[in-house]
Amino acid sequence: QSALTQPASVSGSPGQSITISCTGTSSDVGAYNYVSWYQQHPGKAPKCLIYDVSNRPSGVSDRFSGSKSGNTASLTISGLQAEDEADYYCSSYTTRSTRVFGGGTKLTVL
Amino acid sequence: QLQLQESGPGLVRPSETLSLTCTVSGDSIRIPSYHWGWIRQPPGKGLEWIGNIYYSGSTYYNPSLESRLTMSVDTSRNQFSLRLSSVTAADTAVYYCVRSYGDYGMIDYWGQGTLVAVPS
Repeated sequence: QSALTQPASVSGSPGQSITISCTGTSSDVGAYNYVSWYQQHPGKAPKCLIYDVSNRPSGVSDRFSGSKSGNTASLTISGLQAEDEADYYCSSYTTRSTRVFGGGTKLTVL
Repeated sequence: QLQLQESGPGLVRPSETLSLTCTVSGDSIRIPSYHWGWIRQPPGKGLEWIGNIYYSGSTYYNPSLESRLTMSVDTSRNQFSLRLSSVTAADTAVYYCVRSYGDYGMIDYWGQGTLVAVPS
């Protein structure tokens, strides 16, 4: 199974909004509404920000939002803050009952 | 509070078998609907899903690793395990044990991760 496609890096200034895309196929992202997003700070385990395309776990800021159109999912972070600087990964369930991750996107807050 | 803790050798020789165990504390591994799994991350690279196991023993594996992979669960010890055979330097990674809602849903708990090195 091939990794989902994410931009290698994105950047934004504090207070701005950024969007990270995650492109898959009709066998993963396009097949189900089981896309999740994870934030990983250096040396730490990832943390779930979004599940089932657009749902936030308890305790996650509403500055994080998710959406999907066809084979592409997106994570939007509004009101960028310095602590948002991290790596972000999307993940999708697949038609083979497996899970696949994106290659990851490094967010730089300028 | 649920906690997951990986344990196992930090160094494995090429061609040998990598074995890790995840100990679950704070709740039972028999919780319905939750799956237990492994994810790895080579140094400086992205996440790779390895596989999932349900407390009944049902497994789901990454097709690219399936021929070398065995996962098992020990409900009496509240543990699940990973065995990856014929390792090479490409298997060097931080290995995380995780819990997910079903085999499709949110990964809500992660272990701290353990680095396993396979020298080239």
